[in-house]
Amino acid sequence: NAGVTQTPKFQVLKTGQSMTLQCAQDMNHNSMYWYRQDPGMGLRLIYYSASEGTTDKGEVPNGYNVSRLNKREFSLRLESAAPSQTSVYFCASSEEPRSSYNSPLHFGNGTRLTVT
Amino acid sequence: DAKTTQPNSMESNEEEPVHLPCNHSTISGTDYIHWYRQLPSQGPEYVIHGLTSNVNNRMASLAIAEDRKSSTLILHRATLRDAAVYYCIRDNYGQNFVFGPGTRLSVLP
Repeated sequence: NAGVTQTPKFQVLKTGQSMTLQCAQDMNHNSMYWYRQDPGMGLRLIYYSASEGTTDKGEVPNGYNVSRLNKREFSLRLESAAPSQTSVYFCASSEEPRSSYNSPLHFGNGTRLTVT
Repeated sequence: DAKTTQPNSMESNEEEPVHLPCNHSTISGTDYIHWYRQLPSQGPEYVIHGLTSNVNNRMASLAIAEDRKSSTLILHRATLRDAAVYYCIRDNYGQNFVFGPGTRLSVLP
């Protein structure tokens, strides 16, 4: 059972570079999410996709874009990386949209991004 | 405001029970309480959730106060593998599932 798979596990970027973080889930879940976690803090929602074909902003969307490529995959793009985006990024999925059900979230193991 | 309040850190001895408290005094009648934990260098994992009555599963028990303003996650016999950050989350059905700083649990051998 792979669950939620994130790639890459680690990445170092220079300021201004772009990159895409990949996320795939094999649980046939409808909803997917991107969070970031800064040292010693909880997680903050960047973007989410309640269902295939839809995306919406979360708490901290500035500097990011997302694509729900299909039901399985949800990618996060940094167009011009900044040092403030140094963080651990977590992708998650849930069976149903959280606005309708109290579906538990299933998380990947994160991508550790450093922007210098 | 979907905020909950937890102690920053707690310690327990191995093989002893652990009671992790959470205050959610502004909870509304339809909000569930969820608990997640985050092991070192991993993503959070779901532990348990409940609405009014106490809940048990293979990982833990959840005791919810009668007025629902607080809850307690109970690990019946702590092991070294239970050392993690534990998050108590008030689920108001928003897409933004709010993870606060949580409680860092240390388990001493």
